[in-house]
Amino acid sequence: GAVVSQHPSRVICKSGTSVKIECRSLDFQATTMFWYRQFPKQSLMLMATSNEGSKATYEQGVEKDKFLINHASLTLSTLTVTSAHPEDSSFYICSARGVGTDTQYFGPGTRLTVL
Amino acid sequence: RKEVEQDPGPFNVPEGATVAFNCTYSNSASQSFFWYRQDCRKEPKLLMSVYSSGNEDGRFTAQLNRASQYISLLIRDSKLSDSATYLCVVIPSGSARQLTFGSGTQLTVLP
Repeated sequence: GAVVSQHPSRVICKSGTSVKIECRSLDFQATTMFWYRQFPKQSLMLMATSNEGSKATYEQGVEKDKFLINHASLTLSTLTVTSAHPEDSSFYICSARGVGTDTQYFGPGTRLTVL
Repeated sequence: RKEVEQDPGPFNVPEGATVAFNCTYSNSASQSFFWYRQDCRKEPKLLMSVYSSGNEDGRFTAQLNRASQYISLLIRDSKLSDSATYLCVVIPSGSARQLTFGSGTQLTVLP
């Protein structure tokens, strides 16, 4: 099946720093990528939808100035958590969807811990 | 009301048992339905799509009842490796084609 990678897999940072997470589709072109967040014992919550070459669409309650998303190519999207705080600690997962399909392939996730 | 509702469990069953999970969705215009499984601290992986006529993949059977807005997953002859959280996923109507996840049902298969 299709492969999506995420980097880094785990990051621990101090409060106030910014963290960039990369999501890559390795063997297909992803016209749309999605960013999710999952807190312990909760389901995935969609943060934003990213279409290549256009601005991301953020879900209600997600601050676009805090969670910067860039989808500059058909195989790469990045999420930058700016000025991270302990409450941003979570499991961040991206997914990618190709043209003409509903199937989303998920990256392995990035576990962010903000001290 | 949540868009996708699942019984959170946990379900603890012995190896070889048959177990069924249910899921309801609120948007009657929803178009696509899936079951994903998620292992602890891992990403979700697609288990199977759910079709109106019902579909089977080995030990797994999925059913969809559009009139009742209800989806089910049946696992026969449970294996230890089936232990995971099972996520009911729906794509509501609209052009965004975004996945909406249920909160998941936790299954533990016991030896």
